[in-house]
Amino acid sequence: AQSVTQLGSHVSVSEGALVLLRCNYSSSVPPYLFWYVQYPNQGLQLLLKYTSAATLVKGINGFEAEFKKSETSFHLTKPSAHMSDAAEYFCAVTSQAGKSTFGDGTTLTVKP
Amino acid sequence: DSGVTQTPKHLITATGQRVTLRCSPRSGDLSVYWYQQSLDQGLQFLIHYYNGEERAKGNILERFSAQQFPDLHSELNLSSLELGDSALYFCASSVAPGGPDTQYFGPGTRLTVL
Repeated sequence: AQSVTQLGSHVSVSEGALVLLRCNYSSSVPPYLFWYVQYPNQGLQLLLKYTSAATLVKGINGFEAEFKKSETSFHLTKPSAHMSDAAEYFCAVTSQAGKSTFGDGTTLTVKP
Repeated sequence: DSGVTQTPKHLITATGQRVTLRCSPRSGDLSVYWYQQSLDQGLQFLIHYYNGEERAKGNILERFSAQQFPDLHSELNLSSLELGDSALYFCASSVAPGGPDTQYFGPGTRLTVL
């Protein structure tokens, strides 16, 4: 069985500050891990994914995430927050058969 | 624009009714996935089809069924609707049959059951 835990349902940062969104996973096999962003009234958009290549994954919009097997974590970071980063972020683990399990989501607020 | 289309955008119906949601994948994508997003349950994976065949099943109720047609579009049928079925229903598509393949999400169908 696979599961995802996102720590913190709401995160607030100031514009220009570091963004850190936490994700821990559980999977019985090597995982495929994803971070998605959802803007209001829109579908999900892929930010980045880990597929057992490099442990540090770079994505769109300046985001990156590091896969740490020993900590079963895949935290999302961005060095400097922008107002346009305000959205809901989902971490997900997907099986080889394409079954995805999502975290509960983290709403990121960026203060001017 | 992801290239995935979903119709209708909004659907309002009554309890006990049956509805059909439609999804057209991106050109060339063989996989279609269905998800339900609600305030109560978050984002839940329902079912995955690859080239017409069911590949994986998630938290899909027996009142719900889906299929993927030879032209690769997919339909999600929801019957005996209950108030709790009110949610956003997303479909996504990808080229390959799961795993690390990137899924492209459609804009969703918002279902309201009154």
